[in-house]
Amino acid sequence: NAGVTQTPKFRVLKTGQSMTLLCAQDMNHEYMYWYRQDPGMGLRLIHYSVGEGTTAKGEVPDGYNVSRLKKQNFLLGLESAAPSQTSVYFCASRPPLAGGQRGGELFFGEGSRLTVL
Amino acid sequence: AQSVAQPEDQVNVAEGNPLTVKCTYSVSGNPYLFWYVQYPNRGLQFLLKYITGDNLVKGSYGFEAEFNKSQTSFHLKKPSALVSDSALYFCAVRGYQKVTFGTGTKLQVIP
Repeated sequence: NAGVTQTPKFRVLKTGQSMTLLCAQDMNHEYMYWYRQDPGMGLRLIHYSVGEGTTAKGEVPDGYNVSRLKKQNFLLGLESAAPSQTSVYFCASRPPLAGGQRGGELFFGEGSRLTVL
Repeated sequence: AQSVAQPEDQVNVAEGNPLTVKCTYSVSGNPYLFWYVQYPNRGLQFLLKYITGDNLVKGSYGFEAEFNKSQTSFHLKKPSALVSDSALYFCAVRGYQKVTFGTGTKLQVIP
């Protein structure tokens, strides 16, 4: 019962390098999200997806790209990393709201800590 | 655009005393509101939610929250704080598809 798994957990990059963060969920959720967490700024939405093959921009999408080729996976890419992208990245997924009080809450991964030098 | 405000960066409370962590929101349509907790170097964990129905919702670990539509608030409460409640707490609002978080409130429970 893995839930939401993020890889890698830690990564150090040099400015200009590229990398991809992988998020995998085994709960058959339609909705998936990428957030970044920075001190004093809470969680800010980078990109999200409402289903396989769909993606949309969040609050801070610049410098990032995403893909959702399979329902269970949501990839976050940095094509040319910058020091401003040093952050902790969280992936989350959720089921749709069902009847009454069911559903809607996010399930989070443990985070990926990225440092860009 | 939807938004969440958590006006306090940190809340200090003595163990055994009641605690309140404040949250106000702005969203079009019906508000779907959530509280999450984050322990150091961990992901966020769901505590409780308001979707519809009673204004007082109960969640995990003895926490509850009061929804007030006229004040657009969703404050987190607990009758008696534990040292183990010390953590970072986030309020969130779900709009049409996006989920927006506040900046977080650090709760420090003093023994």
